[in-house]
Amino acid sequence: EIVLTQSPGTLSLSPGERATLSCRASQTVSSSYLAWYQQKPGQAPRLLIYGASSRATGIPDRFSGSGSGTDFTLTISRLEPEDFAVYYCQQYGSSPKTFGQGTKVEIK
Amino acid sequence: QLQLQESGPGLVKPSETLSLTCTVSGGSISSSSYYWGWIRQPPGKGLKWIGSIYNSGSTYYNPSLKSRVTLSVDTSKNQFSLKLSSVTAADTAVYYCARHHYYDGPFDIWGQGTMVTVSS
Repeated sequence: EIVLTQSPGTLSLSPGERATLSCRASQTVSSSYLAWYQQKPGQAPRLLIYGASSRATGIPDRFSGSGSGTDFTLTISRLEPEDFAVYYCQQYGSSPKTFGQGTKVEIK
Repeated sequence: QLQLQESGPGLVKPSETLSLTCTVSGGSISSSSYYWGWIRQPPGKGLKWIGSIYNSGSTYYNPSLKSRVTLSVDTSKNQFSLKLSSVTAADTAVYYCARHHYYDGPFDIWGQGTMVTVSS
């Protein structure tokens, strides 16, 4: 099983600032099958990024993903008020599909 | 647009079987190349994939739960279902159904989730 470790656990930033979230895999993620999700309280996760760097339908371009192999990054270029949430990475190239433990982006 | 909705008991007794159904609307569960999965999230914790099923009935499961999980699909009702046997308090969670494209695709559409508590 591929273990995904996200860092930091919590990121305290102000609106307008840049957020950089990390996801490190215990083994190579095949074909860069790495996704990022946003989850707000009481809501289901929402797909933001798939294939490590492709934005899902309707996702603003302030969200970008990068990386390959075992190291991946989600960047939010300028935080909007609605971006404060928990973010999860997920690998879906190997079974079982696994998720990271999440990074909470909170208002400073 | 496609929507998923989970349904089932919100309270299950220890040692019994948890049963949930996901109803797909706005599209067909038989659409080619789409798989249908279950994910759970204990209160205040992270996400865990339980298993996925194709419209043919082909399934694959998380090994950590495989011995207790059964997925099934009813294409005539546009539904798929989860059964988790011998539940304990550790199975208390929000259970989500979701769609993914191909065997190895991200979860692109999710249900709203349903809370299931295991307690006597």
